[in-house]
Amino acid sequence: AQSVTQLGSHVSVSEGALVLLRCNYSSSVPPYLFWYVQYPNQGLQLLLKYTSAATLVKGINGFEAEFKKSETSFHLTKPSAHMSDAAEYFCAVSDRVYGQNFVFGPGTRLSVLP
Amino acid sequence: DVKVTQSSRYLVKRTGEKVFLECVQDMDHENMFWYRQDPGLGLRLIYFSYDVKMKEKGDIPEGYSVSREKKERFSLILESASTNQTSMYLCASTPDRSNQPQHFGDGTRLSIL
Repeated sequence: AQSVTQLGSHVSVSEGALVLLRCNYSSSVPPYLFWYVQYPNQGLQLLLKYTSAATLVKGINGFEAEFKKSETSFHLTKPSAHMSDAAEYFCAVSDRVYGQNFVFGPGTRLSVLP
Repeated sequence: DVKVTQSSRYLVKRTGEKVFLECVQDMDHENMFWYRQDPGLGLRLIYFSYDVKMKEKGDIPEGYSVSREKKERFSLILESASTNQTSMYLCASTPDRSNQPQHFGDGTRLSIL
């Protein structure tokens, strides 16, 4: 069975500081990995996805994530936080064998302080 | 661009009522999903469908049913609403089973009184 953990339900950073949101997964088969962002009162939007083409994945809005198989991690980073990045972020995993069996992490709320 | 539309953004119903949540996608996607979202729990899958008139249970199907009579429409039904079903409900779709990312609607915030 797959699972996703996100360390830190709430992360605060200052505007211009590095953003680091952590995601660890477990999967018995090679995974697909995704990061989604949710702004208040909206659905989830895809930030980026890992599908094995490259371990460093670039997404929208300046975000990127690195797949580390040895650490079973897929942490999300952005070099310089902007006020508009304040939102909730979800990491998700799906496996390659059983189709779209998506499992989501509990989410991390990012606050950006002026 | 894919559009997933949920019929209501906010809904208030009473305990024991039969509640229908509607979701429509406009990109001829095969797969559709219903999740509920609760603080600290992330998204939990209720039901999904790979084809018309086809449905499969997710992780928390109890108290819910679904209907997919047309490819573009996937309805979630609360047979007899209870207060513990107060939640945010999210609908999503994907083109096929190729692990493409999901496209989400804006959600329905449902309150059961």
